[in-house]
Amino acid sequence: QKEVEQNSGPLSVPEGAIASLNCTYSDRGSQSFFWYRQYSGKSPELIMSIYSNGDKEDGRFTAQLNKASQYVSLLIRDSQPSDSATYLCAVWGVNSSNTGKLIFGQGTTLQVKP
Amino acid sequence: GAGVSQTPSNKVTEKGKYVELRCDPISGHTALYWYRQSLGQGPEFLIYFQGTGAADDSGLPNDRFFAVRPEGSVSTLKIQRTERGDSAVYLCASSLTTGGPGQYFGAGTRLSVL
Repeated sequence: QKEVEQNSGPLSVPEGAIASLNCTYSDRGSQSFFWYRQYSGKSPELIMSIYSNGDKEDGRFTAQLNKASQYVSLLIRDSQPSDSATYLCAVWGVNSSNTGKLIFGQGTTLQVKP
Repeated sequence: GAGVSQTPSNKVTEKGKYVELRCDPISGHTALYWYRQSLGQGPEFLIYFQGTGAADDSGLPNDRFFAVRPEGSVSTLKIQRTERGDSAVYLCASSLTTGGPGQYFGAGTRLSVL
């Protein structure tokens, strides 16, 4: 079992729709969770971080965390073609407290069609 | 600087050669990370520095890989006797502190070993 799992997609949504991206993780002691956006040929860009159960909203983005289910998601409202990218879920686990190691999923490719 | 700077942006080398990849982190960031990203995959952790010392080098694939950060700022990733399987994008990231709000990535160095 991979430490952080994402469906590679592609996930295709029409412009204006809600895109829902999901991620599961295996380390129950994980503490911090991040979503990165990566455009083709570019470096990952941090877009959201979440540390406690529940929802965290930032503009059109909402991160959701459920530690009991070991599940984190990212919702993108009013999706735009410019949101088309690969979204990487990253987890900071209990073993990372002294190491700084982020564990990444393989990423989900999102396509927003005009 | 304003962001994480990596040089060169592209490096083509022949099998068996030695290469050095440079990373200049965000000013004031004490934590520095190296990751490797293969096509279609998320970044894979290589090594983490807190200040001048390597706090965790568990991700280095073998002893051909080595990294230094002698003055606690710029870091160099060194690869000896390169192999075709070393071809990937090498990403550097920095954060204000370990476990801080997130890691910020440079544009990466695309290494191609022929």
